[in-house]
This record gives sequence, C-alpha cells and structure tokens, in this order.
Amino acid sequence: DVKVTQSSRYLVKRTGEKVFLECVQDMDHENMFWYRQDPGLGLRLIYFSYDVKMKEKGDIPEGYSVSREKKERFSLILESASTNQTSMYLCASTLGGDYRYGYTFGSGTRLTVV
Amino acid sequence: DAKTTQPPSMDCAEGRAANLPCNHSTISGNEYVYWYRQIHSQGPQYIIHGLKNNETNEMASLIITEDRKSSTLILPHATLRDTAVYYCIVRVTKGRRELIFGTGTLLAVQP
Repeated sequence: DVKVTQSSRYLVKRTGEKVFLECVQDMDHENMFWYRQDPGLGLRLIYFSYDVKMKEKGDIPEGYSVSREKKERFSLILESASTNQTSMYLCASTLGGDYRYGYTFGSGTRLTVV
Repeated sequence: DAKTTQPPSMDCAEGRAANLPCNHSTISGNEYVYWYRQIHSQGPQYIIHGLKNNETNEMASLIITEDRKSSTLILPHATLRDTAVYYCIVRVTKGRRELIFGTGTLLAVQP
C-alpha cells in the first residue's frame, strides 16, 4: 500500500517562527498536495506539485511556500507563523496524469501557533 | 468539476446498511464520482469511484442513477468504526489534478 508520512503529528510553534512541515510518500507518485482543514471550512488546497521543482498555488497560498527537491518529498513552509495558521495540515499524493485511482492522504499534522 | 450536494448528517444503527446520498445534477459525461471518508483526526481515505455503472469493492457499493445526476454510497453492514465524514466528489480523471472537497456528510453509527 502507498504510504504518505507526515513528519509530526502535533507541533506547537511561536508566532514569527519559520515552520517546516514535511511529507514523504513511498510509491513514486508524481503529484503531491498540501491542504489545511479547519472546522466549518472543510479541506482547502494550499499548494500542489506535479513534478520535482514544480509547484502551483492552490486556493489559499498566502503565507505559505513549498519545496519539492526530490520526487518523494514535499515540504510546506510557513515563512513567519501566525496564530491564524493554527490548523490541521494534510498532505496527499496520487499517481501521474490519470487520476482514476484514489489519492492517499497522510495522517495530518496539527499545528498550534501561540 | 461539477458541484455536489450532501446532507450534513445522518444516523445509522450498527449492523444495518448505511445509504449516503449525493446529488450532482450538473455532472458532465467525462466526470467520475468519487467517495472519500475522514475518521476523526485522521486524513481522508479513498473508498470507491465510478463513472456510469454500479461499483462494489471490499469497503462499499456505489449506485449511480441512469441519468448520473445522483449517486448513493452503501456501507452494507455499518460498524461503529464507520462513523466518519463522507465526501462525495465529482471530477474528470485528466487535467485538473487537485481534489476539491465539499463539507460532506457526518455519518454517526449508533450501537
């Protein structure tokens, strides 16, 4: 089975810190995604990548950046964490250009910014 | 991608079939129907998808109406572990790569 691993289950960071959320998948998937999930707002797409060194903005990219230096790893970066970035962050991956197969999600990172 | 409409919540007795409806009246011919679920504090999990024909796998069955304007996800023997938010998503399989989630249906399986 495809596995998507997020490096931390829970994180607490201070306002203004630079925060790195790491995501690794083990099945050679081309496409990787970062979502955040907040009560009442559902899952919202932050950034995604369909190849190494490629990235595209999702619906809410402000305050975030991403890095994809290797195919298996997709990092989400909060340049200067703020309290409104307290959220559950979910990483997902899927294979290639034909998306008839399911997306695989990680277990999530619950980030609290204080 | 077409928009979907789901009831915000449903209850089901343990051991009975859970039937979760989804309306997608603006679906186009090349759009698939996907179902995911999210158990509390976990990432979403793929369940099943289909285009026209009914589909079944080890987790669930998917019934799509002939006009494709609605579908039903069936969990044949719901257990307490099936309590989750269920998302119905309609999308093409090529082109736009990201999944767009709606608010889903919270299924509560009662003992």
